[in-house]
Amino acid sequence: AQTVTQSQPEMSVQEAETVTLSCTYDTSENNYYLFWYKQPPSRQMILVIRQEAYKQQNATENRFSVNFQKAAKSFSLKISDSQLGDTAMYFCAFRHYGGSQGNLIFGKGTKLSVKP
Amino acid sequence: ETGVTQTPRHLVMGMTNKKSLKCEQHLGHNAMYWYKQSAKKPLELMFVYSLEERVENNSVPSRFSPECPNSSHLFLHLHTLQPEDSALYLCASSQGPGTDTQYFGPGTRLTVL
Repeated sequence: AQTVTQSQPEMSVQEAETVTLSCTYDTSENNYYLFWYKQPPSRQMILVIRQEAYKQQNATENRFSVNFQKAAKSFSLKISDSQLGDTAMYFCAFRHYGGSQGNLIFGKGTKLSVKP
Repeated sequence: ETGVTQTPRHLVMGMTNKKSLKCEQHLGHNAMYWYKQSAKKPLELMFVYSLEERVENNSVPSRFSPECPNSSHLFLHLHTLQPEDSALYLCASSQGPGTDTQYFGPGTRLTVL
């Protein structure tokens, strides 16, 4: 069974600094997708970034980038130039490729606080 | 704005009540999902609908009854719930159920007294 582990329940960072959130996963699949979702205090879950396992190049979205280490089954999120609006719960998620089911498996989340 | 709306945003109900949660997506997607988010637990997938047919039901108690009348609307009918069912219920949609990114609604905070 696939599992997703986020070992940091809470983190904090000063505004404008860089922070890295860790995520590891366990799967026997070779083709899959990985996601980072953000859930601000307003509760709406928002997709931050997505990575296809078959792509070697790390995904980037503006200030957000990932370090995808397939052999180590690691998928960390780096937030550069942190902003107050980045304060949120961050969830790492895994989804196997294809099939008719929508089984998106989430970690327990990391609560990130950006301090002024 | 993700294009997925949920009503009501907050709901308090007794264990003997019957209520329904509503989700609507304005993204033209074909798949819709219900998730349960409890404190200190990972999000749990409850139901998946693809083209209005249920394709997954993750061993959810029968006191939760989903309904998908069309590809834009999804309901979760609730009856005789337990206090441990109190949680945030999130709806999501995607283009298809297989590989596409899911977009979430704001959730309904449910409290069962």
